[in-house]
Amino acid sequence: KNEVEQSPQNLTAQEGEFITINCSYSVGISALHWLQQHPGGGIVSLFMLSSGKKKHGRLIATINIQEKHSSLHITASHPRDSAVYICAVRSGSSNYQLIWGAGTKLIIKP
Amino acid sequence: NAGVTQTPKFRILKIGQSMTLQCTQDMNHNYMYWYRQDPGMGLKLIYYSVGAGITDKGEVPNGYNVSRSTTEDFPLRLELAAPSQTSVYFCAEGQGETQYFGPGTRLLVL
Repeated sequence: KNEVEQSPQNLTAQEGEFITINCSYSVGISALHWLQQHPGGGIVSLFMLSSGKKKHGRLIATINIQEKHSSLHITASHPRDSAVYICAVRSGSSNYQLIWGAGTKLIIKP
Repeated sequence: NAGVTQTPKFRILKIGQSMTLQCTQDMNHNYMYWYRQDPGMGLKLIYYSVGAGITDKGEVPNGYNVSRSTTEDFPLRLELAAPSQTSVYFCAEGQGETQYFGPGTRLLVL
């Protein structure tokens, strides 16, 4: 079993829908990252969380440390949000290394 | 300020050939990383460096070598290319909040 599990693996939705992507982890962590990988391959960091909730534009990330679970939400989704969304955790024992989820491929249809 | 640059963007190698993937950052950060991403899979850490002259193995170091003679440069060397090394290679830098990724090098070993 992977230490970082994402669900769903693939998600197709219509423009305007509210999107939720989930990330569960089994190790103690000091931080959790959400990243976006564009269809062209480029990777962009979206959020780093150690507790609570963060919001940037239409993106909201939450984390529940007790349940070892994080969610990434996209409100009013748009075709340009189509990408792979990746969850990665920084384990409590490492300052440098991230443990990566396999990613969720999101397609937003117009 | 270009961030992280990688060269080449794409390369085809024959089995047994060697090559160096170049990575340069201009943000004067100490921490740098090399990842590989196989199709449909998450990123796997190959090597990382916490500063000039200091490198360490990640999750999948076999078949690779690195050096860090300067803060800016972190080249990845493949000595005897194998088909299993066909992948997309990402260099990243940063610590704490965010890792910044290069655009990737797509490598095909035939």
